[in-house]
Amino acid sequence: AQKVTQAQTEISVVEKEDVTLDCVYETRDTTYYLFWYKQPPSGELVFLIRRNSFDEQNEISGRYSWNFQKSTSSFNFTITASQVVDSAVYFCALSEALDAGNKLTFGGGTRVLVKP
Amino acid sequence: GAVVSQHPSWVICKSGTSVKIECRSLDFQATTMFWYRQFPKQSLMLMATSNEGSKATYEQGVEKDKFLINHASLTLSTLTVTSAHPEDSSFYICSARQGTGTDTQYFGPGTRLTVL
Repeated sequence: AQKVTQAQTEISVVEKEDVTLDCVYETRDTTYYLFWYKQPPSGELVFLIRRNSFDEQNEISGRYSWNFQKSTSSFNFTITASQVVDSAVYFCALSEALDAGNKLTFGGGTRVLVKP
Repeated sequence: GAVVSQHPSWVICKSGTSVKIECRSLDFQATTMFWYRQFPKQSLMLMATSNEGSKATYEQGVEKDKFLINHASLTLSTLTVTSAHPEDSSFYICSARQGTGTDTQYFGPGTRLTVL
């Protein structure tokens, strides 16, 4: 069965510091999809990125960047020059192509606190 | 695009009453909607998968008679918590997926249920 592990439960940084969130996954499927979502204090999950298992290119979007490494089954997320508005819980999630329901399996989440 | 709404955003009810939560995809048709439950400082737990026009598929351990799900149209799914008890108090979040397969799930803002 699939599994997503986010080993860091909470990270505290000072504004402008970089912060990297780790995500390690387990799956027996060769085709799968990885996601990152942000959950600010308001509670709504905001979609950040989706990456399929065949695309190992790293991606950058503004201050966000993602490092996908199939060799280590990791899909890490870095926030560069963090801001107070980045304070939230970040979830990594996995969906398998062979899963008929295409359900998302979530990691436990990493709470990021950015202090001014 | 890809906006999902939920109503109500919060509700307080007495033990033994039923509560209905609506999930709507505002700018796309959702073939599949998902219902999650989230306890404080925990990850999301999938309760059920709802496909338009068919019966919902419940995850193991979720009482289908307790949590009634109806997906009557491509833009609306409802979750009814029947005979609510204090242990049903939680944050309920829905998501909607536009297409089939592993299209991205977009989440609603959540509904906080408190049962007195």
